[in-house]
Amino acid sequence: AQSVSQHNHHVILSEAASLELGCNYSYGGTVNLFWYVQYPGQHLQLLLKYFSGDPLVKGIKGFEAEFIKSKFSFNLRKPSVQWSDTAEYFCAVTPNSGSARQLTFGSGTQLTVLP
Amino acid sequence: DGGITQSPKYLFRKEGQNVTLSCEQNLNHDAMYWYRQDPGQGLRLIYYSQIVNDFQKGDIAEGYSVSREKKESFPLTVTSAQKNPTAFYLCASSIGVKPQHFGDGTRLSIL
Repeated sequence: AQSVSQHNHHVILSEAASLELGCNYSYGGTVNLFWYVQYPGQHLQLLLKYFSGDPLVKGIKGFEAEFIKSKFSFNLRKPSVQWSDTAEYFCAVTPNSGSARQLTFGSGTQLTVLP
Repeated sequence: DGGITQSPKYLFRKEGQNVTLSCEQNLNHDAMYWYRQDPGQGLRLIYYSQIVNDFQKGDIAEGYSVSREKKESFPLTVTSAQKNPTAFYLCASSIGVKPQHFGDGTRLSIL
C-alpha cells in the first residue's frame, strides 16, 4: 500500500516570502500525484496534478510542484505568497493502475500567511 | 452547475444511534468515495464504489456501512459500532483518470 508524508505540519510566513511544502510518498509502481487545498470554510479543491510528462507542473494561483522520481518527492512551491494563500494543503497519491483512483492523503500542512 | 452535495452540513448523534450521511452527485461520475478527516491526520478512506451495486472497504471501514443503489447517490451510515465517530466526513467522486471532486463535507458530533 502507498503512503504519503508531509513533514511540515504548520508553516507561518510573511507576505511575499517564498514557499516550499514537502511531500514524499512510498509506492513501488507508477503513481499520479496531486496537491489539494482547503481554504477556511471551503471544500477541498485541486491545486495541481501530475500524471506523466514534464515533471514540473504548474497549477492555479501561481503554485507549481516538481516530481522528482528518484527522491519520491512532489514538493509544492510558490515564489511569493499572499495572505489569501492561508489554507491547509494536502498532498495525495494514487497508483497509476486500477479503475478506481483511491487517493492516499498526507496529514496536511496548515499554511498561515501574515499580512 | 454540476457538483457534489453533502447533507446535512452538521449532524449530531446520540450514543448508540446509527446516522446516515447523504452524498449526491450530478457529474455523471462512476466512482464515489467517503473520507474521514481528523485534525493532524489528513483524509482517510472509509469506503469507495466504482460502479452501482458495488463497493469496497477502504482503510478504516469498521463501524461504517454504505450502499450504491443509484449512480448519483452514495450514502454513508455511521453505526453504533463506530466508537469514535466525531469527525468531518467528505464525499468525493471521479470518472476515469480525472481527479476527484469533493463535496463541502458533513461535521458529525456526539451528544
